[in-house]
Amino acid sequence: DAGVIQSPRHEVTEMGQEVTLRCKPISGHNSLFWYRQTMMRGLELLIYFNNNVPIDDSGMPEDRFSAKMPNASFSTLKIQPSEPRDSAVYFCASSSSENQPQHFGDGTRLSIL
Amino acid sequence: TQLLEQSPQFLSIQEGENLTVYCNSSSVFSSLQWYRQEPGEGPVLLVTVVTGGEVKKLKRLTFQFGDARKDSSLHITAAQTGDTGLYLCAGARGSGTYKYIFGTGTRLKVLA
Repeated sequence: DAGVIQSPRHEVTEMGQEVTLRCKPISGHNSLFWYRQTMMRGLELLIYFNNNVPIDDSGMPEDRFSAKMPNASFSTLKIQPSEPRDSAVYFCASSSSENQPQHFGDGTRLSIL
Repeated sequence: TQLLEQSPQFLSIQEGENLTVYCNSSSVFSSLQWYRQEPGEGPVLLVTVVTGGEVKKLKRLTFQFGDARKDSSLHITAAQTGDTGLYLCAGARGSGTYKYIFGTGTRLKVLA
């Protein structure tokens, strides 16, 4: 079975540009999570969706960040405008329900110049 | 403030040696997870512990949750090069919660 699929794997762009990260969760999973990983802060939860509805966005750093889940098989995380401090690896994870083990994608390595 | 402190941050050992890594906090957690992450990949869940004092074994890996549910350890016996990776612990503050707080990890390198 395919795991969580993220695209792109790498993104390099200039500050001020809009960045869109994409995630396809495991089929049948109804919980989806976006995380950010940096050396300084480790892995941090940004937002959690359940049945396509945002449940907890308390980890979203600021208004420049937004996330959507238009259907059960697709989610996006958008940064507009991007800043150098947004450089990190962004992970998407999904689980069959809120309290079940989360399966992570391989991440998107984002570099903002 | 980092709620979960992992030590050591880096560890380099020879194949066949034993090692222990630690995950400590001043907070009580309802459950604690350990993950291994390899370069260019996402974390993979190894184990979840929920009861104070609980010990779980996964082949050569032994996980223990502290009696007070504030700390945990991971012991690897006879390390192999395939054990190389970043080991992350993550604690949940409430029962049945999705919200795990991650430590910054222990980066392990096992040399042949």
